[in-house]
Amino acid sequence: DTEVTQTPKHLVMGMTNKKSLKCEQHMGHRAMYWYKQKAKKPPELMFVYSYEKLSINESVPSRFSPECPNSSLLNLHLHALQPEDSALYLCASSDRLGKLFFGSGTQLSVL
Amino acid sequence: QQQVKQSPQSLIVQKGGISIINCAYENTAFDYFPWYQQFPGKGPALLIAIRPDVSEKKEGRFTISFNKSAKQFSLHIMDSQPGDSATYFCAASTWAGNMLTFGGGTRLMVKP
Repeated sequence: DTEVTQTPKHLVMGMTNKKSLKCEQHMGHRAMYWYKQKAKKPPELMFVYSYEKLSINESVPSRFSPECPNSSLLNLHLHALQPEDSALYLCASSDRLGKLFFGSGTQLSVL
Repeated sequence: QQQVKQSPQSLIVQKGGISIINCAYENTAFDYFPWYQQFPGKGPALLIAIRPDVSEKKEGRFTISFNKSAKQFSLHIMDSQPGDSATYFCAASTWAGNMLTFGGGTRLMVKP
């Protein structure tokens, strides 16, 4: 299994909603990532988990809250988002050689 | 500060032609240079990568050329096909950090 699986594929939420994005990989990778990608732009790093511990937070607003329940799962909890947070949210994991594997992403729209 | 500059932003190539995308970096500590291919509605997928101990790496129709002294690297797609139409991102990282710095992306269109 060489896939990173993300759910849901699409999400529409209001500014007062609470929702969660989910990510799963079964490649045994111990580093997992959340990226945000706006249209026609490269992915921007948000968070890095290494061995299930948060190792990097790229100054992301607290309305985004990551969680790593175990070595295969990564969640991103969303609360009180703004319309400018609408983007493609990508999960990724990396192997020991540094190769990054991305999921297909969740296309998020905040109304 | 953009540490990896990618050009051109968009590229149109005829089927069978050669597509060339260039990247330049500033951080001399970078030692891993991957290229990612992204189709609409999908996440980026690793295409090919190179480390600075070699000047060229070829995988099928895709070749990376690397010039360490100029701090530049490029992707060549030989015999370009319409199915190659996608956005391509170069990237760079230091092994210790394992965090990629992406170029701005190139939208490639291969015309039949």
